[in-house]
This record gives sequence, structure tokens and C-alpha cells, in this order.
Amino acid sequence: AQKVTQAQTEISVVEKEDVTLDCVYETRDTTYYLFWYKQPPSGELVFLIRRNSFDEQNEISGRYSWNFQKSTSSFNFTITASQVVDSAVYFCALSESSNDYKLSFGAGTTVTVRA
Amino acid sequence: EAQVTQNPRYLITVTGKKLTVTCSQNMNHEYMSWYRQDPGLGLRQIYYSMNVEVTDKGDVPEGYKVSRKEKRNFPLILESPSPNQTSLYFCASSLQGRGYTEAFFGQGTRLTVV
Repeated sequence: AQKVTQAQTEISVVEKEDVTLDCVYETRDTTYYLFWYKQPPSGELVFLIRRNSFDEQNEISGRYSWNFQKSTSSFNFTITASQVVDSAVYFCALSESSNDYKLSFGAGTTVTVRA
Repeated sequence: EAQVTQNPRYLITVTGKKLTVTCSQNMNHEYMSWYRQDPGLGLRQIYYSMNVEVTDKGDVPEGYKVSRKEKRNFPLILESPSPNQTSLYFCASSLQGRGYTEAFFGQGTRLTVV
């Protein structure tokens, strides 16, 4: 079964619009970690954020913000005032304490920001 | 500069011809792993290693081998490649497993098997 679901396959926005990427995860563990990675057109994977299951505080980093809600098993990512450089594939991933060494990735969401 | 280096970046090969994709990290990380990325499937783990001489299967290990003889190196071996192994491959390393630290990824290797 898919542990991480990113229901949005592609999102297209115009520059300066906000965009929210959804991530829903599934686990029976009480201890787990959630991640977001960015994959720009050049292909590398860039780490954005790591959150453990005991820290539900939302986080903001510049134009990026993350909303972690355990009640709905969601870890959504918002880009505020999007820019063309934000065009990329974004992956949500889960690491469970019962499966220490594996990152389970979602299928990814392709974000295209048009000038 | 801290990095994970994969070689080659691009490779086209024929079915059945053994190949090795190298991966090296300079961060003294204990944990290394290999993933393959396919459209609509995200990244799936092939093999991982917790330390030298300790490796284990991930979700899609069939058709692949790995070895960890040195801490810094974790090569991926395809003994007899087949077209269904055409994919984008990533090597990753982290200080520890268990999600304690983020994984650093190599630049990726795009493999085509014809």
C-alpha cells in the first residue's frame, strides 16, 4: 500500500500566485519523520524540510511554509508568491521508526510557474 | 564540499551487459542507499547499507546487487540488465538512518537499457 500520497500530479500557476502541495501519509508508528524534497529540471534532489511526529508546529522558511496535522495525517507545503525558479517536482517522504532505514516517497507533484 | 558523487551520469547499454554505477560520499556517513525513480511512482528504494559490510534489500531489489567494502563507496551492480531497469537512479547517504538526519542525494544516473 502506498504510504505517502500526493494526489496532485501537476499544478500550473502564474508567477506570484500561492501554491499548496498536498501530502497525506499512512503509518501505524507513533514515531516517524516527514520530509519534503525538491527536484528542479536539472534533476538533483534538494532537501527542504524534516519534521518529526512529535513536533506539530508549523514552519515558515522565507516563501515556503509547512502545515503538519497529525489528526488528518497530512504534511502540506505552501509556496507563497511563487516564482519561475520554483518550477520543479516536489516529493513528500516518510521515514518510520518500525522501518528505520527507508524513505517512502510519494509520486511527486510537478509545479510549473509561468511568468 | 560535502557531496554524494555518482558515475556515470548517463549510460546507454544493451540487455545482458553487466554494468556498475559508482557512488561515493565524502561526509563519513554510515547510511547509504540506492533508489530508482520512475514516472508516477516517485522514488523506490533498491538496497541500503547501515555500515561497512552491512547491506539489506529495499522495496525493489530484484536484478540488482550492491557491496559496501568501504564506508565512502556503495556501488550498484546490474549483472544482466534488462529494459525494465531503464530508470533514473539515485544514491543517497545520511549520517544516520531512522530519519534522524536528512538524506543527501547524488546527481542521479540516467540508465537506458536497449
